[in-house]
Amino acid sequence: DAEITQSPRHKITETGRQVTLACHQTWNHNNMFWYRQDLGHGLRLIHYSYGVHDTNKGEVSDGYSVSRSNTEDLPLTLESAASSQTSVYFCASSANTDTQYFGPGTRLTVL
Amino acid sequence: KQEVTQIPAALSVPEGENLVLNCSFTDSAIYNLQWFRQDPGKGLTSLLLIQSSQREQTSGRLNASLDKSSGRSTLYIAASQPGDSATYLCAVYTGNQFYFGTGTSLTVIP
Repeated sequence: DAEITQSPRHKITETGRQVTLACHQTWNHNNMFWYRQDLGHGLRLIHYSYGVHDTNKGEVSDGYSVSRSNTEDLPLTLESAASSQTSVYFCASSANTDTQYFGPGTRLTVL
Repeated sequence: KQEVTQIPAALSVPEGENLVLNCSFTDSAIYNLQWFRQDPGKGLTSLLLIQSSQREQTSGRLNASLDKSSGRSTLYIAASQPGDSATYLCAVYTGNQFYFGTGTSLTVIP
């Protein structure tokens, strides 16, 4: 069955370190998204991609970057981790403007 | 900027009761609206999707309505069960981005 996976599921890092969160989907979807979920804010869009080599900034993109070198993967990089980036990160994919399929999430703690 | 609000933030009902969850959005120029379910520590699962041209969608005990002109959607759950306990989120798609509400945490008491 097609799926979307995220790794690691839990990560603890220190302020200032570079961190990369992986997202891999086997749906063959063109569209991929990264969100963060925080209490009181719901899900907020960080970056999204509508195809290979396409990337776009979302609502809260500062301090994050993505690159899309193939259809299946959209890694999210925190260039210099900050305590404000402690959150749960979700990756999602969709074929078009319809249903998004979400990964299980990565819980990131920045100390 | 699109703002999505869900009221109430939390709801507790006895098993068997019918209930309504509310979602409102500030900009009526949307392509579609989705309702999701999120269980603790898990990702989101899509429940229903309503296109902007539609008024409602049904799936089993769930019925979602959309009034685009007034910026409102409701999710109706019939004959609630303890297994319905979860957080329910609505999201609107504006053509380039998805905007999520903060969710309603539902507890169904046996």
